[in-house]
Amino acid sequence: DAKTTQPNSMESNEEEPVHLPCNHSTISGTDYIHWYRQLPSQGPEYVIHGLTSNVNNRMASLAIAEDRKSSTLILHRATLRDAAVYYCILQGGNTPLVFGKGTRLSVIA
Amino acid sequence: GAVVSQHPSWVICKSGTSVKIECRSLDFQATTMFWYRQFPKQSLMLMATSNEGSKATYEQGVEKDKFLINHASLTLSTLTVTSAHPEDSSFYICSAIGTSGARETQYFGPGTRLLVL
Repeated sequence: DAKTTQPNSMESNEEEPVHLPCNHSTISGTDYIHWYRQLPSQGPEYVIHGLTSNVNNRMASLAIAEDRKSSTLILHRATLRDAAVYYCILQGGNTPLVFGKGTRLSVIA
Repeated sequence: GAVVSQHPSWVICKSGTSVKIECRSLDFQATTMFWYRQFPKQSLMLMATSNEGSKATYEQGVEKDKFLINHASLTLSTLTVTSAHPEDSSFYICSAIGTSGARETQYFGPGTRLLVL
């Protein structure tokens, strides 16, 4: 699976939008972009995934660059419960997800 | 989304004993499950891929005789840590492939924290 690059950490104020970036310059045409998050002492939680078009769900939005070499996870209003490590993962086919270090998001009240 | 459970959520055992961890897909059938472990302040590391009715595929460096995996049904996979030692203390997480929309998605269990004394 192609590699992704994320900032180690980010900070946000509560109730403000958060944009979590992910670079994946070596993405292949069949790689899906997945986002998961992991709260302390819990298993990873699926957030969203996409291929080419921007995606929205009840948790977040995923904005994918036109050349697909980067993407941004958007949390529209951060809450304290959104504090977690966010992982951006590329996956081709049904191979198991390979986790990098992710971005640790802190939310300040 | 699909639900994956694990049991127990935490376990403390003495060095040399064996510990079994169960992973269940609650509302879907999973032909493939994965086992990961996570040491403190580190990311998840894939240990093995478990396919229903066949032998598990282990990642490089993971001892198959120490970490026994059984996937006897479409909703249950078990990981047995045999002759556990303190260095096996970790957070063990399973995942199963379910369907989200048109795409299969990996759903994760809540994890099992193992402490070997």
